[in-house]
Amino acid sequence: DAKTTQPNSMESNEEEPVHLPCNHSTISGTDYIHWYRQLPSQGPEYVIHGLTSNVNNRMASLAIAEDRKSSTLILHRATLRDAAVYYCILYPFSGNTPLVFGKGTRLSVIA
Amino acid sequence: ETGVTQSPTHLIKTRGQQVTLRCSSQSGHNTVSWYQQALGQGPQFIFQYYREEENGRGNFPPRFSGLQFPNYSSELNVNALELDDSALYLCASSPRRVGFQETQYFGPGTRLLVL
Repeated sequence: DAKTTQPNSMESNEEEPVHLPCNHSTISGTDYIHWYRQLPSQGPEYVIHGLTSNVNNRMASLAIAEDRKSSTLILHRATLRDAAVYYCILYPFSGNTPLVFGKGTRLSVIA
Repeated sequence: ETGVTQSPTHLIKTRGQQVTLRCSSQSGHNTVSWYQQALGQGPQFIFQYYREEENGRGNFPPRFSGLQFPNYSSELNVNALELDDSALYLCASSPRRVGFQETQYFGPGTRLLVL
């Protein structure tokens, strides 16, 4: 079962920042936090991942709470192309496990 | 570098039939995982293959089986199809064993409808 909790849906205006929250209160010390997104009619695609420190890449930023019980995916300027379902996934470093998806957050972007 | 491809894109079968879905992984990716995604749900793990051997399985019955070939292609076979097997089937490849912080690269999926 997914060990993360995300809002079912969120809405954003185009060109504004979007903060997608994820709660993972049972996270263990060796769990990484991964984010994937699934655009309409496509398979999921990797967005970003982190362990403790905040992370930035060309797609997004990941802010991780100090106690690691929650994290936030930040899209700095939402575009219509960012409309997708966003999944927050805990991935153990010790691993050899599959990705465990929840229902994710459906992000709508309004022009 | 080509991405992960899947065929066919859509498929309609009747209950009791058998189906084979195909996936072509990115070159050099020795791990492939298959997922089932019902409408409105997140993908659910079916099984994973690493270097042509099954390397983990989710909560799916034995009528779901797979193969991985040396040329980075793989198959998902489902026997005795049931109505609940109607879903999007996704394959995902990664360059090493899952268990490291490896990105999984997903194909676009095959949408299967069982009537």
